[in-house]
Amino acid sequence: SAVISQKPSRDICQRGTSLTIQCQVDSQVTMMFWYRQQPGQSLTLIATANQGSEATYESGFVIDKFPISRPNLTFSTLTVSNMSPEDSSIYLCSVPGQGYEQYFGPGTRLTVT
Amino acid sequence: EDKVVQSPLSLVVHEGDTVTLNCSYEVTNFRSLLWYKQEKKAPTFLFMLTSSGIEKKSGRLSSILDKKELFSILNITATQTGDSAVYLCAVETGTASKLTFGTGTRLQVTL
Repeated sequence: SAVISQKPSRDICQRGTSLTIQCQVDSQVTMMFWYRQQPGQSLTLIATANQGSEATYESGFVIDKFPISRPNLTFSTLTVSNMSPEDSSIYLCSVPGQGYEQYFGPGTRLTVT
Repeated sequence: EDKVVQSPLSLVVHEGDTVTLNCSYEVTNFRSLLWYKQEKKAPTFLFMLTSSGIEKKSGRLSSILDKKELFSILNITATQTGDSAVYLCAVETGTASKLTFGTGTRLQVTL
């Protein structure tokens, strides 16, 4: 399985600010996925990041709030913009394995005050 | 709308017990069902199931899928305190490997 790293591991931010989360994979992958897990909830897909094209966002998520970059096949960033306390969550990136199972990065725990 | 439901929501057992976790789904364009273990932040992959009736096994954990009745079970035998975690079921749909997750079962194994 791929080795995935995320930065930062955790952060505490003030409302109205933005945070960019980085996801790095040790191998080239076509698709990368960004998920959110709000406190006590399960994982929800935010968007699919494809290299060389615009990200595909799920219902309820918009590019202005969660802009995504995918400059190459091993790296992606997710920005959480104009944050509010409701954005306090764990943010996870994932990549598909050889059998199309998905592997997750270690996650970023965001607290917005 | 795709839906994945897990039961029970939480479970407390004694070390050595056997547990069965349930996952039912209603989705369009089913591709596979996956089980994950989440202890802190990152879910750890356990199994991927695509065919009915074929048991996947790894140590004390096993899982099976019923595509006719649209459910899967995850069994853990001889539970240990290290099995304490949230177990997540997810269904992969469509051609873009999209995963829809259930709410999870929180398992606590006590001494």
